[in-house]
Amino acid sequence: GAGVSQSPSNKVTEKGKDVELRCDPISGHTALYWYRQSLGQGLEFLIYFQGNSAPDKSGLPSDRFSAERTGGSVSTLTIQRTQQEDSAVYLCASKQRGGAIQETQYFGPGTRLLVL
Amino acid sequence: GENVEQHPSTLSVQEGDSAVIKCTYSDSASNYFPWYKQELGKGPQLIIDIRSNVGEKKDQRIAVTLNKTAKHFSLHITETQPEDSAVYFCAASINNDMRFGAGTRLTVKP
Repeated sequence: GAGVSQSPSNKVTEKGKDVELRCDPISGHTALYWYRQSLGQGLEFLIYFQGNSAPDKSGLPSDRFSAERTGGSVSTLTIQRTQQEDSAVYLCASKQRGGAIQETQYFGPGTRLLVL
Repeated sequence: GENVEQHPSTLSVQEGDSAVIKCTYSDSASNYFPWYKQELGKGPQLIIDIRSNVGEKKDQRIAVTLNKTAKHFSLHITETQPEDSAVYFCAASINNDMRFGAGTRLTVKP
């Protein structure tokens, strides 16, 4: 079946502009994660959604970052007033369910953001 | 919170040799340990995982071992091939919280 999809695949923007990144999780997956991956680095957790529960925003680096998930499916990560240090690959992952039962996270291809 | 350390950061082997990547974790409550392979320009893809009630798991040329007492786990790739070249990430998970190692860039030279 279809995997996690993200759009756009690449985004170039000017410093100070706002950007929106989109994630379509695997159908039926109730949990959705956003991560940031800087060049040559590991994955930095940003935010986690599980069903209708309040999201875990503990990884968001500043109040310029926000995310929402509409109807328990598609998610949008918004970065306001972008800075050059925001340049990175933004990865989305989904898994079948949250809670104590461990399920694998499936990743999308990422959005490569470049802030000039 | 959980802290995952991964070594080495880069690894170069000859085709046909074995490769071993090691990770340690800090929280003894972690109970799920996946390994991901990330090729250039792509998202991480799960290659193997192990749960805390299992000490070893093997899938063809790939194996993972887990030592809960020492809080470390390792990825073993045998008979390496050039297409194994990629960045490999380990992770440790407690419920919904998954923390990743910094990654190992594996290069398999033909």
